[in-house]
Amino acid sequence: GQNIDQPTEMTATEGAIVQINCTYQTSGFNGLFWYQQHAGEAPTFLSYNVLDGLEEKGRFSSFLSRSKGYSYLLLKELQMKDSASYLCAVVSDDYKLSFGAGTTVTVRA
Amino acid sequence: GAVVSQHPSRVICKSGTSVKIECRSLDFQATTMFWYRQFPKQSLMLMATSNEGSKATYEQGVEKDKFLINHASLTLSTLTVTSAHPEDSSFYICSARGVPDNEQFFGPGTRLTVL
Repeated sequence: GQNIDQPTEMTATEGAIVQINCTYQTSGFNGLFWYQQHAGEAPTFLSYNVLDGLEEKGRFSSFLSRSKGYSYLLLKELQMKDSASYLCAVVSDDYKLSFGAGTTVTVRA
Repeated sequence: GAVVSQHPSRVICKSGTSVKIECRSLDFQATTMFWYRQFPKQSLMLMATSNEGSKATYEQGVEKDKFLINHASLTLSTLTVTSAHPEDSSFYICSARGVPDNEQFFGPGTRLTVL
């Protein structure tokens, strides 16, 4: 089976940095996605990691360590609009996505 | 990026009726489409995998006779919720996967409310 863990909630101040961790134990691995989801909307793509290391894309960065079954999403210079749920999703051998429960990030002024 | 549409975006129906939800990939051919369900404050749960021209593969615990999936073309998959009940009320989201990428592109979702 698939087991994907991420914190339930995080709160941070506008302009700050927040790191969302994700650990996984899955049957096979073909990459890890991070998605952002606002309430009542579908997820939107943030990043994809398949090799170890850090991928930087503007204010958002994502890191992967396959040997540790670990990833994190780093949000820098937080803005109010970043308040959302952030989903970690792992691609298994059959290319299915398994989602973590999501981390609700609240940005306060 | 690739665009996936869903129709309808919202539907309210009476208990016992059937509801069809369409998922279309607008600018690419999707060899595989996925159907997810999301209950409030929970993550997405995969219901089934739909491959063009073949039968859908359902996840454990999902009733294939209740959730009928048809993937008639490389750009269209439909999910029909048969004899809907209030407990079927949920946010249904489809995604489409093209070739050769692993990325899945999500539709905007369909909010189903069964009275």
